Amino acid sequence: AQKITQTQPGMFVQEKEAVTLDCTYDTSDPSYGLFWYKQPSSGEMIFLIYQGSYDQQNATEGRYSLNFQKARKSANLVISASQLGDSAMYFCAMRERKNRDDKIIFGKGTRLHILP
Amino acid sequence: DVKVTQSSRYLVKRTGEKVFLECVQDMDHENMFWYRQDPGLGLRLIYFSYDVKMKEKGDIPEGYSVSREKKERFSLILESASTNQTSMYLCASSFLNLRVKDTEAFFGQGTRLTVV
Repeated sequence: AQKITQTQPGMFVQEKEAVTLDCTYDTSDPSYGLFWYKQPSSGEMIFLIYQGSYDQQNATEGRYSLNFQKARKSANLVISASQLGDSAMYFCAMRERKNRDDKIIFGKGTRLHILP
Repeated sequence: DVKVTQSSRYLVKRTGEKVFLECVQDMDHENMFWYRQDPGLGLRLIYFSYDVKMKEKGDIPEGYSVSREKKERFSLILESASTNQTSMYLCASSFLNLRVKDTEAFFGQGTRLTVV
């Protein structure tokens, strides 16, 4: 069963608008972490933001914020005031730890296109 | 800066060849991961390791093996390469999930492997 679901394969957004990229996850562990990564056309994986399952407040990093709704198992990425350089592939990921097994699972990604 | 280095950016190998993909990290990370990335499928975890000589299967280990003889080095081995293993391979490393901060994974630049 898929543990990380990103339902938007692709999105087109006008420059300067806010963007919400959806992510839902599935886990039975009380302790986990959620991440968002950006992959531009150059191929590098750029870490954007992290949310721990026990964090009381939504994570924010500059123009990025994570809308964490624990009961819904949702961790949407919000990009405010989008820029042309935000065009990229975006991956949601979850880190689970069981005993010494410590792995990070990724979703299929959302390709974001920012239109001038 | 954390550096995760993969030995090759591009590789072309013949069907049936034994292929080694090497990954080295310089941040004394305990965890190391191998993923393959295919269009529409996101990143899929092949194997991971939380310590020297320890290895755990990910979601798609078939056709692959790994080796971790030193903490900084994690090798992915294709025993007999096949055309369906043509893909982008990404190595990553992270600290053990015992820390409040610095929990994200850092990625190498990727190896694009073509099996002909």
